Amino acid sequence: GNSVTQMEGPVTLSEEAFLTINCTYTATGYPSLFWYVQYPGEGLQLLLKATKADDKGSNKGFEATYRKETTSFHLEKGSVQVSDSAVYFCALSELSHDKIIFGKGTRLHILP
Amino acid sequence: GAGVSQTPSNKVTEKGKYVELRCDPISGHTALYWYRQSLGQGPEFLIYFQGTGAADDSGLPNDRFFAVRPEGSVSTLKIQRTERGDSAVYLCASSNSGGLNTEAFFGQGTRLTVV
Repeated sequence: GNSVTQMEGPVTLSEEAFLTINCTYTATGYPSLFWYVQYPGEGLQLLLKATKADDKGSNKGFEATYRKETTSFHLEKGSVQVSDSAVYFCALSELSHDKIIFGKGTRLHILP
Repeated sequence: GAGVSQTPSNKVTEKGKYVELRCDPISGHTALYWYRQSLGQGPEFLIYFQGTGAADDSGLPNDRFFAVRPEGSVSTLKIQRTERGDSAVYLCASSNSGGLNTEAFFGQGTRLTVV
């Protein structure tokens, strides 16, 4: 079945460090890929998405590129801020299924 | 309202009791989803509605779980004979069509604790 695997946390970085959170997926078709973020005390919200191979999603300085050959959608940011501290979820959705399947989440701590 | 609203925000119940969790989606959104999130895990799909009908209920863990959306707006997730293993945060989300390019908006969840 379809699944998403992302790196385990917590990930702790200093402010202005470079961030990578790895995500790989297994899917029978051609899924859309997402990163969702959950800030402390808030609900899940969409951070970025990509709907086909080689697409790059970007938002708030974060980027992720849909890599079909490696079945990956790694999240990157060049310079993190304390306000980026949150839990990040990689997810996928397929055309034939309307449900979104989530990874287990990666908790990110940014130290000032 | 402006976002997805879930009530109650917290619910503590005794083992064996019946509970109902409510979700008010964003006005006009036709698709509605229920997820369950256990501590340290990602959201686990339970059921998806398109309008009034359950388009996919494959994630409901057993027949103690049931959800309705009678008028295509508000949805209620019902859990009978609750067990301690049902303790989790129950998330609701809605979107305006449910297709690949639409964004699902999540509520803040109902934290259910079964004691």
